[in-house]
Amino acid sequence: DTAVSQTPKYLVTQMGNDKSIKCEQNLGHDTMYWYKQDSKKFLKIMFSYNNKELIINETVPNRFSPKSPDKAHLNLHINSLELGDSAVYFCASTRIYGGTYNEQFFGPGTRLTVL
Amino acid sequence: AQSVAQPEDQVNVAEGNPLTVKCTYSVSGNPYLFWYVQYPNRGLQFLLKYITGDNLVKGSYGFEAEFNKSQTSFHLKKPSALVSDSALYFCAVRAAGGGKLIFGQGTELSVKP
Repeated sequence: DTAVSQTPKYLVTQMGNDKSIKCEQNLGHDTMYWYKQDSKKFLKIMFSYNNKELIINETVPNRFSPKSPDKAHLNLHINSLELGDSAVYFCASTRIYGGTYNEQFFGPGTRLTVL
Repeated sequence: AQSVAQPEDQVNVAEGNPLTVKCTYSVSGNPYLFWYVQYPNRGLQFLLKYITGDNLVKGSYGFEAEFNKSQTSFHLKKPSALVSDSALYFCAVRAAGGGKLIFGQGTELSVKP
């Protein structure tokens, strides 16, 4: 009964490849996020979807493309992977009540290593 | 621009002693503030939040935080530290528009027996 799950947990790949990370939440939340944690543990927002609509798109290379097939899923596809993409990617979700934002629940993370 | 600062990269405390992890913020409008903890190779776990109301907020695992508007601070505290509290702690503020969290750089808490 995991609340926010991500697959895969680890991803090792070569430069130039294309890869996807999947996220699912079973909390009934309507808003999902992708965050990137770099090697210095700094966390930064990348994208957010509310009811399948993109609402946050930070300054992220367009090689990164999020997709939300439904409210419970948010996937991240990365094209032409670069060494600098190596990081831990966290998915998170929350429910927005009439403009009030509650705490976000985070997935376990996907550690991406680009060789 | 909204921002969060955690001035200490590392805090060392002896088990049983009180602990404080510092956080200051800069926001326009009312601040929505959060503390999260990250154990090694794990995701972030929510500890507590300040939205409105009492300045002293109680959260999970015996942690509490004090909101101080005049000092724009939201320090995390615990009266008696446990070795198991050793982890990376993040302070965050909710930014306007979309509900994204802006995180501080994190503070590594080390509690020694």
